Amino acid sequence: NAGVTQTPKFQVLKTGQSMTLQCAQDMNHNSMYWYRQDPGMGLRLIYYSASEGTTDKGEVPNGYNVSRLNKREFSLRLESAAPSQTSVYFCASRETGSNYEQYFGPGTRLTVT
Amino acid sequence: AQSVTQPDIHITVSEGASLELRCNYSYGATPYLFWYVQSPGQGLQLLLKYFSGDTLVQGIKGFEAEFKRSQSSFNLRKPSVHWSDAAEYFCAVANKGSGTYKYIFGTGTRLKVLA
Repeated sequence: NAGVTQTPKFQVLKTGQSMTLQCAQDMNHNSMYWYRQDPGMGLRLIYYSASEGTTDKGEVPNGYNVSRLNKREFSLRLESAAPSQTSVYFCASRETGSNYEQYFGPGTRLTVT
Repeated sequence: AQSVTQPDIHITVSEGASLELRCNYSYGATPYLFWYVQSPGQGLQLLLKYFSGDTLVQGIKGFEAEFKRSQSSFNLRKPSVHWSDAAEYFCAVANKGSGTYKYIFGTGTRLKVLA
């Protein structure tokens, strides 16, 4: 039981390049989330997904797209990276039902030059 | 709009001293509240949570938090801090989103522990 896994752990992009951050969970959770963490700003929600095939915008969705193709995986895509997207990205999942606890992945540190 | 405020950006305490980290929330209904800890370069680990019932909740690593509805607060406490508690601490509230719950985090409090 690996919990929530994220790939890659580190990435450096040039402005304008695209990439996809991968997230997978093996806990059979319905809900999944993408956050970005910047110094002094805590975690901000980018997108979330209540179930397979559904996605919704969070607090800071501009410049990102997501895909929830199946229950396990929730990917985050940067189509044209900008220096403002330099951040640490965390994926999380939540148990179904009345336990509102989230489980977090280890994060991806992205630098856009 | 819902929000979470952690008024202290940095806190420094001596090892063995008591600790209180403040968290205030703005939310109309009964909130679901959380405290997470993040060690440098690591992900977030849940310390404790409050959904309902007893307003004093116990967590891991000797932490506790008290929910005070009248003050819209959920402060984290520890009676005696250890050097290994040095980390960043985040308060969060869950609220209803589209088909599930989504979470709002505070900006964090970085704890430094003096030997």
